[in-house]
Amino acid sequence: SQTIHQWPATLVQPVGSPLSLECTVEGTSNPNLYWYRQAAGRGLQLLFYSVGIGQISSEVPQNLSASRPQDRQFILSSKKLLLSDSGFYLCAWSVKGRGGNQPQHFGDGTRLSIL
Amino acid sequence: GQNIDQPTEMTATEGAIVQINCTYQTSGFNGLFWYQQHAGEAPTFLSYNVLDGLEEKGRFSSFLSRSKGYSYLLLKELQMKDSASYLCAVVYNNNDMRFGAGTRLTVKP
Repeated sequence: SQTIHQWPATLVQPVGSPLSLECTVEGTSNPNLYWYRQAAGRGLQLLFYSVGIGQISSEVPQNLSASRPQDRQFILSSKKLLLSDSGFYLCAWSVKGRGGNQPQHFGDGTRLSIL
Repeated sequence: GQNIDQPTEMTATEGAIVQINCTYQTSGFNGLFWYQQHAGEAPTFLSYNVLDGLEEKGRFSSFLSRSKGYSYLLLKELQMKDSASYLCAVVYNNNDMRFGAGTRLTVKP
């Protein structure tokens, strides 16, 4: 069966520090991969998605970046965190399907607090 | 844009039925998902609708009307553990999934 691992579960970082969140998927190959942010009481905001190694699409301008160095590995990074980067970060994967008819499956999330 | 609207909060009683509505812009529509998210946890997939009508899965059912840009999630025989946020997500133009802000459901004894 497929599983998705995301770490760390919680992170407290000072403003201006770098960030690296990692997500890996097991039990499937060539998945679509996604990074979302969820602010308190708000909906999920899509940050990045990837359809293959080295292929990253960015949804919103920001100081975050994403990379996909391996088929089942998706990394979210920042060189200098801002206060506004605080939130709940979720990684997700889906099987490639016609017409986007495949559900996304989420990792347990990383709660990021910027001080 | 693809405004996806759902009520912010709802309250219902254990054992009752509750209907959570979702409206969306129809242009480019390619499917609709419902997810459940307990506080502090990741969303989990509940249902998928792409054709008009009702999809039933145990205590949960989801309905879609493509012409009206409308869906609802129906929860029957409510249990305390159903207290959670319910997210409506619409797929546009084949691969672009957009989430609503979610409806926080509180089930009371």
